[in-house]
This record gives sequence, structure tokens and C-alpha cells, in this order.
Amino acid sequence: AQKITQTQPGMFVQEKEAVTLDCTYDTSDQSYGLFWYKQPSSGEMIFLIYQGSYDEQNATEGRYSLNFQKARKSANLVISASQLGDSAMYFCAMRRTGGYQKVTFGTGTKLQVIP
Amino acid sequence: DTGVSQDPRHKITKRGQNVTFRCDPISEHNRLYWYRQTLGQGPEFLTYFQNEAQLEKSRLLSDRFSAERPKGSFSTLEIQRTEQGDSAMYLCASSPTTGATNEKLFFGSGTQLSVL
Repeated sequence: AQKITQTQPGMFVQEKEAVTLDCTYDTSDQSYGLFWYKQPSSGEMIFLIYQGSYDEQNATEGRYSLNFQKARKSANLVISASQLGDSAMYFCAMRRTGGYQKVTFGTGTKLQVIP
Repeated sequence: DTGVSQDPRHKITKRGQNVTFRCDPISEHNRLYWYRQTLGQGPEFLTYFQNEAQLEKSRLLSDRFSAERPKGSFSTLEIQRTEQGDSAMYLCASSPTTGATNEKLFFGSGTQLSVL
């Protein structure tokens, strides 16, 4: 079974500062993928970034980067230069490799960006 | 590409009534998922369709819940004899069948159900 743990229910960050959202996972699989999704108050889940378990480099997408530490089973999201529009819920998720595999989500972190 | 659409956005019903939600996935996506999200929690998997075939159902999906995707396009989720514990956001997502681990889900805006 897969498990995602997000230990920060809420975080505050000053506008233009960087922030790290924590995510640890538990799996016995060797091959898997990790995702981060953003959920604004409108409710829609928006894909941000993906990291494969065999990817040697940390993923980056614009202001988002994923700090992947495989031995520690952590996949923290770093948001640089925070903007007011970054205020939202953030969910870490994972999926096993191989055909169809459902995506398992963590409980989320609520990020609030302060002007 | 108009994205995943869900209807209605909000539904208020009385306990014991039946409700039905609709999801229209992105047109070329043949994988479709239903998730349920309660306040303060992440989305929980309910069921998955590949084309019209329902290939997986969570144990969360009691006998009162049924989902269909009759022609492999839109899907409906019906809850019979609703209970207050069914109050949640019901999210639909779709994805193309790439088989790749990085195959991401495209979500709709959800249907917020309130059972009084």
C-alpha cells in the first residue's frame, strides 16, 4: 500500500519569499511517480510538477521545484518568489508504475501568502 | 480542449433522496476517475473507468453508490438514499492512456454535495 504524509496543515509565507511544503511517502515499490497539485478555493485541482523515482535530477517547472530525496522518501515542493495567487491548498500524490495505477493523495497543506 | 466539466457545481438534498452527478472528460481521454474529498482531507479514490469498463471500485463505494460510463464518454455517479456522511466534494478526473508513470490527472471543478 502507498501512503502520503503531509505534516504541515497550514503555512504562511511573505510575498516574494520562497517556501517549502513537506511531503513524505511510504511505498515498497521501486518504480513510482510523485506529483504535486494545487487546489484554489474554486475547487479545481491543478497539476504543478512531477518527479519519477528513477529521475536523477530534481524536477523544475517555472517557480516550482521538487526536492526529491529518495533515501529519505521525501518529495518536498519549493515555491520561489511567492505570489498572492499561490494561496491555496497543495496536495502531494503518488502512483506506482505499470499500466493503470490510481493516484493516492496526502491530506494537503494550506498555504497563505501575506502581502 | 474545454477541460473536464462537472454538473452541477453544488447540490443540496435531503437525507434519503437520490442524487446524480455528471462528468464530461476531455474528449480524447479514455481514462476517467471519481474521487471524493471531505473538508480538510485529500481526494480519496472512488472508482476508475477505462472507456466504458469500470475496472476498479474502492471499498469506500458502498452499495448505495453506482457509477456508469455508458458510451465511454461522459460518466454519471449516483448516490441512492443519501446520508449526511455523503456530504463532500465529488471530483471527476480524466487522463489519456499513455501508460506512463507521469500520466497526470486533469480534474474538473467538482460537485459539492450537502445532505441535510
